Amino acid sequence: GEDVEQSLFLSVREGDSSVINCTYTDSSSTYLYWYKQEPGAGLQLLTYIFSNMDMKQDQRLTVLLNKKDKHLSLRIADTQTGDSAIYFCAESIGGATNKLIFGTGTLLAVQP
Amino acid sequence: DGGITQSPKYLFRKEGQNVTLSCEQNLNHDAMYWYRQDPGQGLRLIYYSQIVNDFQKGDIAEGYSVSREKKESFPLTVTSAQKNPTAFYLCASTPTSGGYTDTQYFGPGTRLTVL
Repeated sequence: GEDVEQSLFLSVREGDSSVINCTYTDSSSTYLYWYKQEPGAGLQLLTYIFSNMDMKQDQRLTVLLNKKDKHLSLRIADTQTGDSAIYFCAESIGGATNKLIFGTGTLLAVQP
Repeated sequence: DGGITQSPKYLFRKEGQNVTLSCEQNLNHDAMYWYRQDPGQGLRLIYYSQIVNDFQKGDIAEGYSVSREKKESFPLTVTSAQKNPTAFYLCASTPTSGGYTDTQYFGPGTRLTVL
């Protein structure tokens, strides 16, 4: 079945770059997403990438996709304390509905 | 402002009671979804609805029920048959009922605690 895995925790210093990694198993995934969740809140869409792309950049965010290895990463440049949150990757598994399979989430802690 | 609202933010219930969580959207989205989030786990799909008066079970539908009588509303009932209902519940919606390009937009969530 479909499975999405992420490391549970990442700690960085303010101003450094953060790289959050994700692996997925469904090779038919068409879109892959990154969401951010702040404490006690819902999920906020950060960015998404189509599976025929290798990279997508949006301001401080860079998404890299290695479809051969089924590996997705999110790089946050110049990480700020406001970036502290849980980050979820998700894959669209296709079919007639936009069902998403979510990873377990990575807690990013930014040290001042 | 357009968006998805969930109420209440915190909910407490006694064991054996049914409880209904509200989800309303004014985005004119066709499809709506309910997820459950537990610590250390990703989101798991409970139910989804692509159109009014129609809904399908997700991966963990047992012990839950939904209705979709209006496009903007998708309430979730947690029944007494749900064995471990304490969790954070998230509602989401997408503009159209199919296609890969649709992005899911999430509400703020309801934290349910069973005492």
